[in-house]
Amino acid sequence: AQKITQTQPGMFVQEKEAVTLDCTYDTSDPSYGLFWYKQPSSGEMIFLIYQGSYDQQNATEGRYSLNFQKARKSANLVISASQLGDSAMYFCAMREAFRNDYKLSFGAGTTVTVRA
Amino acid sequence: GAVVSQHPSRVICKSGTSVKIECRSLDFQATTMFWYRQFPKQSLMLMATSNEGSKATYEQGVEKDKFLINHASLTLSTLTVTSAHPEDSSFYICSARDSRNQPQHFGDGTRLSIL
Repeated sequence: AQKITQTQPGMFVQEKEAVTLDCTYDTSDPSYGLFWYKQPSSGEMIFLIYQGSYDQQNATEGRYSLNFQKARKSANLVISASQLGDSAMYFCAMREAFRNDYKLSFGAGTTVTVRA
Repeated sequence: GAVVSQHPSRVICKSGTSVKIECRSLDFQATTMFWYRQFPKQSLMLMATSNEGSKATYEQGVEKDKFLINHASLTLSTLTVTSAHPEDSSFYICSARDSRNQPQHFGDGTRLSIL
């Protein structure tokens, strides 16, 4: 079974608008962490934001915020005020403490294209 | 912040050649390093996990004899693609962490093209 599901293969967004990238996950591990990475066309993986399973508040990092809904097992990424440089592939990933020895499981990714 | 250097960034070589890719942690001790493979527009697929001083653990379906991994020191892991063929062409990316509950830090990746 897929541990991380990203249902949006590609999205277009207008510059300066907000965009939400969906991510749902599947785990029975009580301790886990959720990550979002950005991968531009050059290939490097850029860490954006992290949410721990025990964190009470949603994580925020600048223009990035994570909408964590634990009961629904979703961890959507919101990018506010999109910029042209935000065009990239975005991956949601999960790290499970007990079931997977802290390895990362990645979703299929969402390609975001920001239009001027 | 933690930096992981991966070299080379791009390599093009003839079929049958063996290719070595290096992954170095520059400012921390990487007890564990991970090697991933990524096809265009697809996700990262974990190939193997290497712990310093011990044999790498390969994921199901990954050929150990084709993809040799060595993690001889706390700052260096190497992936050697032996007798590479065109189907081995891909983007290979490493990551490293210093302890189990710490984040993985990624290298910039290597684009391997086998002619």
